[in-house]
Amino acid sequence: EPEVTQTPSHQVTQMGQEVILRCVPISNHLYFYWYRQILGQKVEFLVSFYNNEISEKSEIFDDQFSVERPDGSNFTLKIRSTKLEDSAMYFCASSAGLAGGSQETQYFGPGTRLLVL
Amino acid sequence: DAKTTQPPSMDCAEGRAANLPCNHSTISGNEYVYWYRQIHSQGPQYIIHGLKNNETNEMASLIITEDRKSSTLILPHATLRDTAVYYCIVRGLYNFNKFYFGSGTKLNVKP
Repeated sequence: EPEVTQTPSHQVTQMGQEVILRCVPISNHLYFYWYRQILGQKVEFLVSFYNNEISEKSEIFDDQFSVERPDGSNFTLKIRSTKLEDSAMYFCASSAGLAGGSQETQYFGPGTRLLVL
Repeated sequence: DAKTTQPPSMDCAEGRAANLPCNHSTISGNEYVYWYRQIHSQGPQYIIHGLKNNETNEMASLIITEDRKSSTLILPHATLRDTAVYYCIVRGLYNFNKFYFGSGTKLNVKP
């Protein structure tokens, strides 16, 4: 069964450093998403991406964050200058973009655990 | 999107059916009900979704009341591996780009 994959599974970085989290969405999916979950808290939406541009972003997704689809298979989240509060699990998701609207089921990857020291 | 209310936790004996309720009294006609679960800190796993009719797949059944103000996710024969946080999410037509995850129900399946 096709699945979303994410690398690395764990990332430790120093405050102020840049990190890039990578995702390979399900092949032929057209919509891509990033969510995050701070330890013990809810899963929060960060950004959605379609047709090579951001379609929606939350207030969390500030200028420190960027997303990119550098090639036909990868979808990346970059944090330019990490802060302690960026420590969280980051989940990538994708959806097919066929059913449209509220029927779009999102499939999530296993996550990257980011720890900022 | 409509708000959902779920009990914070439930227990279920292994092998028995787990019935997880969700209240979504402000749901509107074009909003779907989705269920996901999260085991430990793994990525949320899609279970099932529906609009009006009851739905069943290999994982679970979804029963939606006729007025659509509440629903129940049924795991017919719960196993220890079904211990997880279960999220009921109502998703709107005009805000479909994201899922809003609430606090969910922590289901504890006990031997």
